[in-house]
Amino acid sequence: EAGVTQFPSHSVIEKGQTVTLRCDPISGHDNLYWYRRVMGKEIKFLLHFVKESKQDESGMPNNRFLAERTGGTYSTLKVQPAELEDSGVYFCASRGIGDYGYTFGSGTRLTVV
Amino acid sequence: TQLLEQSPQFLSIQEGENLTVYCNSSSVFSSLQWYRQEPGEGPVLLVTVVTGGEVKKLKRLTFQFGDARKDSSLHITAAQPGDTGLYLCAGFSGGYNKLIFGAGTRLAVHP
Repeated sequence: EAGVTQFPSHSVIEKGQTVTLRCDPISGHDNLYWYRRVMGKEIKFLLHFVKESKQDESGMPNNRFLAERTGGTYSTLKVQPAELEDSGVYFCASRGIGDYGYTFGSGTRLTVV
Repeated sequence: TQLLEQSPQFLSIQEGENLTVYCNSSSVFSSLQWYRQEPGEGPVLLVTVVTGGEVKKLKRLTFQFGDARKDSSLHITAAQPGDTGLYLCAGFSGGYNKLIFGAGTRLAVHP
């Protein structure tokens, strides 16, 4: 079974530019999550999809962040325009119905310069 | 705001030693998970504890959930270099859809 795949693994962009992160969850997992760790801090929840619907986006920092999940399959997280404080590692995770545990991707390390 | 505090932040020990990592909160969690993360990878689930007072064993790792479900511990017996990594505790306050993470304990086991 393929795991959760995230693209790209690293991204370095200039302040003001746009970046789109992609996550391919485990096939059949309805629940998809985005989390983020900024330098020196704990991993924090951003949002949760069930299939293509946003269930909880209470962790999204501001309206520069836009998440979508096309057809309930892969998800994208767009940051536009990026700011220096957006730097960090963005993790995607998926979970099947009835499962306790999350499967995390390897993360995308975003650096805004 | 629910917080999970992990201690110690860093732990450097010799192979064969025992160690305990703690995860504490003033809030009650419906369940708690422990993850291990290696550089360049995402967290990998080790265990989920659900019932207050529950103890689970995974080979040389023993996990305990506090009676009041506000704290947890991870004990490693006879640590090996392969145990090196970042250990994270994370709790659910209800359901399984928003994890609250501790900052982690970075463990280094030297041969």
